[in-house]
Amino acid sequence: DIQMTQSPSSLSASVGDGVTITCRASQGISNCLAWFRQRPGKAPEPLIYAASSLQSGVPPKFSGSGSGTDFALTISSLQPEDFATYYCQQYYSYPWTFGQGTKVEIK
Amino acid sequence: EVQLVESGGGLIQPGQSLRLSCTGAGFNFRNSFMAWVRQAPGQGLEWVGLIRNRGYSATTEYAASVQGRFTISRDDSKSIVFLQMDSLKTEDTAVYYCTRVQYTYVLFDQWYFDSWGQGTLVTVSS
Repeated sequence: DIQMTQSPSSLSASVGDGVTITCRASQGISNCLAWFRQRPGKAPEPLIYAASSLQSGVPPKFSGSGSGTDFALTISSLQPEDFATYYCQQYYSYPWTFGQGTKVEIK
Repeated sequence: EVQLVESGGGLIQPGQSLRLSCTGAGFNFRNSFMAWVRQAPGQGLEWVGLIRNRGYSATTEYAASVQGRFTISRDDSKSIVFLQMDSLKTEDTAVYYCTRVQYTYVLFDQWYFDSWGQGTLVTVSS
């Protein structure tokens, strides 16, 4: 199975700040990577697919990068709704696997 | 607008069976791949399995943790995907989400989740 490792596990930031979350795959996955935001008590919301393509309706303050084993999600100008947990996920091979999550908290 | 609504969750004893349903609306259900993802209380996300469309013979894939106990099926006439869960264990306790799998090609085949239901809670406890 492909292991997905996110860094950091949590971070604190202020409204208006920019942050970057990284995700590393245990083997190469081309660009078969997605990112999700999950607010407390809610279903995950798709943000990015194909490592850097925005899902429909997602604002461009979210951007993704990377290929192979190393990926990143950058969020510019954090707003209150962005304080949530973020997950990466690979769909390169079965079983599809998620990172353990990165919790973005208000400083 | 794509809508996915799960139902069938509840409290069940270990060893028993439960069937979840997910009804889709607002999209071409019969052409879509569908999947289930679960989340144990306070934990991360875990992919459970997937069912392809009839063009791919409605074949399925499963996580090792549920292989042989869970079965995904579909009724395209009613736009419903099912998750039959047998021999349930306490560690199957989770919110179960239904998702639609979208396809595109960007340098590589991209099969990705683009819509999620609100989830249904399954609690396995004696």
